[in-house]
Amino acid sequence: NAGVTQTPKFQVLKTGQSMTLQCAQDMNHEYMSWYRQDPGMGLRLIHYSVGAGITDQGEVPNGYNVSRSTTEDFPLRLLSAAPSQTSVYFCASSYYRSENTGELFFGEGSRLTVL
Amino acid sequence: GENVEQHPSTLSVQEGDSAVIKCTYSDSASNYFPWYKQELGKGPQLIIDIRSNVGEKKDQRIAVTLNKTAKHFSLHITETQPEDSAVYFCAVMASGGSYIPTFGRGTSLIVHP
Repeated sequence: NAGVTQTPKFQVLKTGQSMTLQCAQDMNHEYMSWYRQDPGMGLRLIHYSVGAGITDQGEVPNGYNVSRSTTEDFPLRLLSAAPSQTSVYFCASSYYRSENTGELFFGEGSRLTVL
Repeated sequence: GENVEQHPSTLSVQEGDSAVIKCTYSDSASNYFPWYKQELGKGPQLIIDIRSNVGEKKDQRIAVTLNKTAKHFSLHITETQPEDSAVYFCAVMASGGSYIPTFGRGTSLIVHP
């Protein structure tokens, strides 16, 4: 079982460049989300989705875009990277509004550095 | 929205000692309380969870206790081992509410051999 797969694992960008972090899950989860993890700040929710075609903002959405065209994929786009977006990014998925709602399954993370 | 406080932010123990991490929350509608362990360079992974209809749950050396009246829950690790060294996150969710979990800021546990 692949679970939640994130790519790339590492990326270095220059200020102003754009890029997309990819996330795919093979567990047929309705809920998918993106978090960023910074020292001392824990896991902060960027954007989330509860199904194909449905997305919503989390705690720190500025500078990021998402879309959900399929159940499996939930890419995170940085349109114009800034040094403040240097972080480790995690994609996570789970069941939603069912008796199985609860456990979040995380990817291995994508470490992004913006110079 | 929900507010989750997690303490301590760092915890250093000797191998074999017990470790306790505590989280408090604000929304009385919250009814699902998971704990995640994050090893270095990896994503968080669920280690134990509890729902609001029980007060305690154990799984070998780890246990979680819940006090809904006081709105706090704790992770207990007994007979700590070096491989328990990691960052631990608590989370809170309201099934029947937003279904979006809110995380604590994490506790870095260091177990000295």
